[in-house]
Amino acid sequence: DQQVKQNSPSLSVQEGRISILNCDYTNSMFDYFLWYKKYPAEGPTFLISISSIKDKNEDGRFTVFLNKSAKHLSLHIVPSQPGDSAVYFCAASARGGSEKLVFGKGTKLTVNP
Amino acid sequence: ETGVTQSPTHLIKTRGQQVTLRCSSQSGHNTVSWYQQALGQGPQFIFQYYREEENGRGNFPPRFSGLQFPNYSSELNVNALELDDSALYLCASSQSPTDTQYFGPGTRLTVL
Repeated sequence: DQQVKQNSPSLSVQEGRISILNCDYTNSMFDYFLWYKKYPAEGPTFLISISSIKDKNEDGRFTVFLNKSAKHLSLHIVPSQPGDSAVYFCAASARGGSEKLVFGKGTKLTVNP
Repeated sequence: ETGVTQSPTHLIKTRGQQVTLRCSSQSGHNTVSWYQQALGQGPQFIFQYYREEENGRGNFPPRFSGLQFPNYSSELNVNALELDDSALYLCASSQSPTDTQYFGPGTRLTVL
């Protein structure tokens, strides 16, 4: 029973364009959501997070949108750069913070020059 | 500032053996969480240690156990290894149980 789902295993975009990565969840107790980026042979790197009391959080080129009624969140990267090519994981927690994270399977983003 | 480090980088064991993986937390962090990442999957929560006490556990059998030391470094022990234990084991540290987790590079365990 997968509580956090990333239905697109891969995504390819052109440099300078927008990348949109999607994530759905089933557990209505989740109240904190995060995105991590992972390069090969490295551990996941924290990107951005959002609490369930918000519907948007922005940090530079990265914006996360949360639609609680649809149990859906998305990560927008604008503009996309070749260095953004990595696997992106969506994660969720039901503890009000970054605790006992439940991860999706990841989406591999490729940004083409 | 030193980030989260893990040792060893790679490990090969045979079925039935026992293994110990080590994690040094980031300076100022008192919480360590362990995750198992099987091939093609996202990380799966094993357990968390906060100030040397277990502070939550995922759906893993008792043969997965851990320790946290006074300097907040941590060990993950797995007994009676099974083939399905082959995975990347990730350690993450944080300033508290609910603060952002920062991951180490992981230990790749192969069970033959």
